[in-house]
Amino acid sequence: GGIITQTPKFLIGQEGQKLTLKCQQNFNHDTMYWYRQDSGKGLRLIYYSITENDLQKGDLSEGYDASREKKSSFSLTVTSAQKNEMAVFLCASSIVTNSGNTLYFGEGSRLIVV
Amino acid sequence: AQSVTQPDARVTVSEGASLQLRCKYSYSGTPYLFWYVQYPRQGLQLLLKYYSGDPVVQGVNGFEAEFIKSNSSFHLRKASVHWSDSAVYFCALGASSSFSKLVFGQGTSLSVVP
Repeated sequence: GGIITQTPKFLIGQEGQKLTLKCQQNFNHDTMYWYRQDSGKGLRLIYYSITENDLQKGDLSEGYDASREKKSSFSLTVTSAQKNEMAVFLCASSIVTNSGNTLYFGEGSRLIVV
Repeated sequence: AQSVTQPDARVTVSEGASLQLRCKYSYSGTPYLFWYVQYPRQGLQLLLKYYSGDPVVQGVNGFEAEFIKSNSSFHLRKASVHWSDSAVYFCALGASSSFSKLVFGQGTSLSVVP
């Protein structure tokens, strides 16, 4: 088994501030993801990375940067925090098998903008 | 384009009653289908998945789902719910390729009452 660790669990910042969320996985999975979860809107993909140093934009990448410097870690930066961005950010990792691409999730980081 | 619809935002059932949570998808190819559950203040956990073979798949904690291709549906069922099943349930769709991003539905919040 493995685990995905997201830090911090709560991130409080001021409007306009640059804020970074971190994610570590010990599954040795190739692919990692950042999703944003808003109440009533499901999960929306922000960025994903197929391998170390790879970055792919998802549906909601504007206003965010990401970094995958090691296979085990994937960071997400909110470039200028806005109050309407308060949400839960979920990190996930996956490996492709003959039964598809199953994602494993961390517990989430809640962003609060004051 | 792929999409997933969970038409019921909230469902309330009595403890011991049977449960069905609905999921409809839109995809022209052969889908990989997933149900995830999210307990309060936690990440998503995989309940079950379908990728081929028997259209009825069994998951953890007595959950099962049936893939009905003619109806583009993948409804989740449980014969007798427990209060601990109260959570948010997400249906997700992946394309039948070696790698694909998952598309999530908006989630159904389940409340089990005495």
